[in-house]
Amino acid sequence: SQTIHQWPATLVQPVGSPLSLECTVEGTSNPNLYWYRQAAGRGLQLLFYSVGIGQISSEVPQNLSASRPQDRQFILSSKKLLLSDSGFYLCAWRGHPSSYEQYFGPGTRLTVT
Amino acid sequence: EDKVVQSPLSLVVHEGDTVTLNCSYEVTNFRSLLWYKQEKKAPTFLFMLTSSGIEKKSGRLSSILDKKELSSILNITATQTGDSAIYLCAHNDYKLSFGAGTTVTVRA
Repeated sequence: SQTIHQWPATLVQPVGSPLSLECTVEGTSNPNLYWYRQAAGRGLQLLFYSVGIGQISSEVPQNLSASRPQDRQFILSSKKLLLSDSGFYLCAWRGHPSSYEQYFGPGTRLTVT
Repeated sequence: EDKVVQSPLSLVVHEGDTVTLNCSYEVTNFRSLLWYKQEKKAPTFLFMLTSSGIEKKSGRLSSILDKKELSSILNITATQTGDSAIYLCAHNDYKLSFGAGTTVTVRA
């Protein structure tokens, strides 16, 4: 069966510090991968998605970036965090093209101080 | 750009009540509508509704898609405190476009 991992689970970082969040998927190959952010009391906003190694699409302009160095690894980064980057970051995957369901990882709760 | 609107934003009910949540959508090309339940962590998948599968049921939860009205409802019958959560609706194309969610609080 497929599983998706994210780490760290929680993170407190000062403004201006760098960020690296990692997501890995097991039990599937060539998944579509997604990064979402959920601000407090709000819905989920898509940040990036990837259909393959090295292929990244950005949905919103921001100071975040994403990379996919391996088939089942998706990384979210920032060189300098802003207070507005605080939120709950969720990685998701989608497998077969005919299956439209997306499954989420456990999430990383980021607080920028 | 796809738009998904959920109502109400929040509601409080007592155990045993029935809850109806609404989701309306304006999308360029409808593919499918997904419902998720989010407790304190990541959303968990509930239902997927498509043009060929407009009604789904699982235990006390059920959902219907109304393609004419461009909307969907999620029903929860005989609510329990464990149903307290945020319920999210999303249109599923190559990405998920989420509504803001409905926060349901079930009081004992």
